[in-house]
Amino acid sequence: GENVEQHPSTLSVQEGDSAVIKCTYSDSASNYFPWYKQELGKRPQLIIDIRSNVGEKKDQRIAVTLNKTAKHFSLHITETQPEDSAVYFCAATEGGGADGLTFGKGTHLIIQP
Amino acid sequence: DTGVSQDPRHKITKRGQNVTFRCDPISEHNRLYWYRQTLGQGPEFLTYFQNEAQLEKSRLLSDRFSAERPKGSFSTLEIQRTEQGDSAMYLCASSYRASDGYTFGSGTRLTVV
Repeated sequence: GENVEQHPSTLSVQEGDSAVIKCTYSDSASNYFPWYKQELGKRPQLIIDIRSNVGEKKDQRIAVTLNKTAKHFSLHITETQPEDSAVYFCAATEGGGADGLTFGKGTHLIIQP
Repeated sequence: DTGVSQDPRHKITKRGQNVTFRCDPISEHNRLYWYRQTLGQGPEFLTYFQNEAQLEKSRLLSDRFSAERPKGSFSTLEIQRTEQGDSAMYLCASSYRASDGYTFGSGTRLTVV
């Protein structure tokens, strides 16, 4: 089955700086890679996703890059703001849905004022 | 329809009791997923329905866990003979197509005492 590793487990950055979270996956058949943001006590919310036929996707201050050869993908947040503080999860799936998403263990992002 | 609804939000039960949780997905979503999340971990895939068909159930944690979606709308997750290790957040999610981003519900937090 799929295995997703996520690093770092905790990331502290100064407000206004950039943050990068990295994930690797094991199943070369995986073709869908979403990122979720989870604030304390709340539901995971999809913030951006990428499919395997695309190398990079950007949405305002958030971008995701995918390297299929190396089997890793990364989340980039620029101009960080206090409201970006949360736990971020990467995930991967083969895409049929039947196998569900395999999530990383999460990165606790702390934005220092 | 404002999103995925889960009921109850919190459940405290004594060890050995049976519990049942309900999930109402977004109405046009035919895919419904159950996940379990423990503290400090990413969500863990349990099972998946496409309409009323349960297409994946091998990830259910034991034979004490079962799920139904009798009419292809709402779903229930039942845990029989609860154990303290079952204490966790149980999340439901739905999507319209395979490899679409999920919309998660707020979850049911189960505490087994």
